[in-house]
Amino acid sequence: EPEVTQTPSHQVTQMGQEVILRCVPISNHLYFYWYRQILGQKVEFLVSFYNNEISEKSEIFDDQFSVERPDGSNFTLKIRSTKLEDSAMYFCASKIVFGVGQPQHFGDGTRLSIL
Amino acid sequence: GENVEQHPSTLSVQEGDSAVIKCTYSDSASNYFPWYKQELGKRPQLIIDIRSNVGEKKDQRIAVTLNKTAKHFSLHITETQPEDSAVYFCAAPREAAGNKLTFGGGTRVLVKP
Repeated sequence: EPEVTQTPSHQVTQMGQEVILRCVPISNHLYFYWYRQILGQKVEFLVSFYNNEISEKSEIFDDQFSVERPDGSNFTLKIRSTKLEDSAMYFCASKIVFGVGQPQHFGDGTRLSIL
Repeated sequence: GENVEQHPSTLSVQEGDSAVIKCTYSDSASNYFPWYKQELGKRPQLIIDIRSNVGEKKDQRIAVTLNKTAKHFSLHITETQPEDSAVYFCAAPREAAGNKLTFGGGTRVLVKP
């Protein structure tokens, strides 16, 4: 069964540094998402992306965050100047078509630790 | 925006007993409700979902019920097994824009052998 893949599985970064999290969505999927989960808390929406542009973003997704689909397969989340509170698990998700009845499939996540 | 409340936050059951988790949502336009299971350090995995044109859906030991009038839906796990121990999240997607998922707070289920 096709899966969403994310790299790296764990990223440790000094505060203030830039970090890029990478995702390869399922190949025929058209809608892409980033979510984050602070340890012990619920999963929170960050951003959705379709047709090379952001569809929606949350309040968390400020100007320190950006997303990009640099080629036909990768989908990246960049944090320009990391803060301690950015430490979390970041999940990429994708789904095949528009419509709430279509499930989103999640990757295994990247654990981001800011020191 | 959508608000999803989930109860209980923790649930401990004896192996073989049933577990029930309840969620309420605020947006009456919502019409699709997935449930995700998350094992420690792993991805949220879709285990069952329901659309608003049905009131109940079953898949082996798992069932989900939906009450659109009351705006709540529930996950039922029967004959629980130790491998059912995990955190379960309900969610509701937004109709507009990118169909983002709003998750409930999660229920940590522990099945005691």
